Amino acid sequence: GAVVSQHPSWVICKSGTSVKIECRSLDFQATTMFWYRQFPKQSLMLMATSNEGSKATYEQGVEKDKFLINHASLTLSTLTVTSAHPEDSSFYICSARDGQVIIDTQYFGPGTRLTVL
Amino acid sequence: DAKTTQPTSMDCAEGRAANLPCNHSTISGNEYVYWYRQIHSQGPQYIIHGLKNNETNEMASLIITEDRKSSTLILPHATLRDTAVYYCIVRVPSGNMLTFGGGTRLMVKP
Repeated sequence: GAVVSQHPSWVICKSGTSVKIECRSLDFQATTMFWYRQFPKQSLMLMATSNEGSKATYEQGVEKDKFLINHASLTLSTLTVTSAHPEDSSFYICSARDGQVIIDTQYFGPGTRLTVL
Repeated sequence: DAKTTQPTSMDCAEGRAANLPCNHSTISGNEYVYWYRQIHSQGPQYIIHGLKNNETNEMASLIITEDRKSSTLILPHATLRDTAVYYCIVRVPSGNMLTFGGGTRLMVKP
């Protein structure tokens, strides 16, 4: 099946610093990628939808200037958490959509655990 | 997307079949049933999907009732590695994001 990778798998940073998370589709082209966030014991919540070559669409309540998303190619999307604070500590997961809409399955990366001190 | 209802948790003995139910009584004719699972501290994993016919792949079987108001995901021989949260999602294939509910926490026990 399709494989999506994320890097890094975990990161610890100081409050006020920025962190970049990469999401790659390894064996297929993903015109659309999604970024989710998951807090402990909660379900996944969509943060933004990323389309190759265009600006991301953010969900209500997600600050676009704080969570910068770039989808410069069909296999790579990046999420940058700017000026991170402890409340940004979470499990960040990306997914990439298989291009066939009739199937419309999404393949998820393994996630990145961010801890902000 | 149609609303789904799943039990909060289930237990299953290792080696036995795990049957996970999902109710989706408001499903519309062009909505598919998708199943994903999330093992602890990992990203969700696609399992299977179907429209109205029963489906089987190397991971599981999906049984959809004739009226399509409910479905069952079957793991034929559960192993300890199948312990995870299983999500049933009903939606029209649209290319849009997935909406995750609470899912069913399946615990496979020795």
